[in-house]
Amino acid sequence: DIQMTQSPSSLSASVGDRVTITCRASQGISNYLAWYQQKPGKVPELLIYAASTLQSGVPSRFSGSGSGTDFTLTISSLQPEDVATYYCQKYNNAPKTFGPGTKVGIK
Amino acid sequence: EVQLVESGGGLVQPGGSLRLSCVASGFTFSSYDMNWVRQAPGKGLEWISFITTNTRTIFYANSVKGRFTISRDNAKNSLYLQMNSLRDEDTAVYYCARDRRGGSFDFWGQGTLVTVSS
Repeated sequence: DIQMTQSPSSLSASVGDRVTITCRASQGISNYLAWYQQKPGKVPELLIYAASTLQSGVPSRFSGSGSGTDFTLTISSLQPEDVATYYCQKYNNAPKTFGPGTKVGIK
Repeated sequence: EVQLVESGGGLVQPGGSLRLSCVASGFTFSSYDMNWVRQAPGKGLEWISFITTNTRTIFYANSVKGRFTISRDNAKNSLYLQMNSLRDEDTAVYYCARDRRGGSFDFWGQGTLVTVSS
C-alpha cells in the first residue's frame, strides 16, 4: 500500500505569515490528492482536491500544488481562523490513506 | 442542504458487535459512493471502508477486513457499518463521508463515538 507522510508535524506562525505544508506519497499518485482542514473539536472539511482545485467556498488564501509524489498546501496569509490540523489524502485507489496531519497554530 | 447523520455508537465490550447507521438527506444518495472514516481520540484520520452506488465494489482497510461489513440501502438513504469482534483499538469517532465524484470526500457527518472497553 502507498504510504502518506506530511511535514512538519506541527508549526506555529504569526498572523499574516505564509505557511507551507508538504505531503509525500511513497509511490506516484498523479494528482489524486486532497487536503482537509479539521478545526479543534470539529468535523474535517475538504479544502482542495485534484491536488490544486479549491473546493467551493474555501478562501483563496489556500492553494495546493504538486503531482506524482510531492505535494504542498500553502496558506498565503495565515488567519486566526486557520488554526487547525491539516491532512492530505490519496484517493487514486483503495486504501484512501490519509497523511498523519500537520497541526497549525498561531504564535 | 446536504446532511449526513450517524447513529449507533456507544460502549461495547471487547469481542462485541455494533451496527452504525448514516442517514443522508439533501442529495440523491443513490448517485454517490460512500465511505466510513474513523478517528481515535487525539489521533489522525483513518479511512476504513468504501462502497459504490450499486454495492458491487467494496473495499476495506486491512485493520478492519474480515471484522467489519459496509452496506447501504438506497431506498432508505442509509449507509451502514456492521462491526464485529471489536477490539480496544477500534475505539474512535466514526464518520460517514460522501465520495465526491472523483474520489475525495466532500461532505462528512458529525460522527458517532464507539468505545470498546471492559
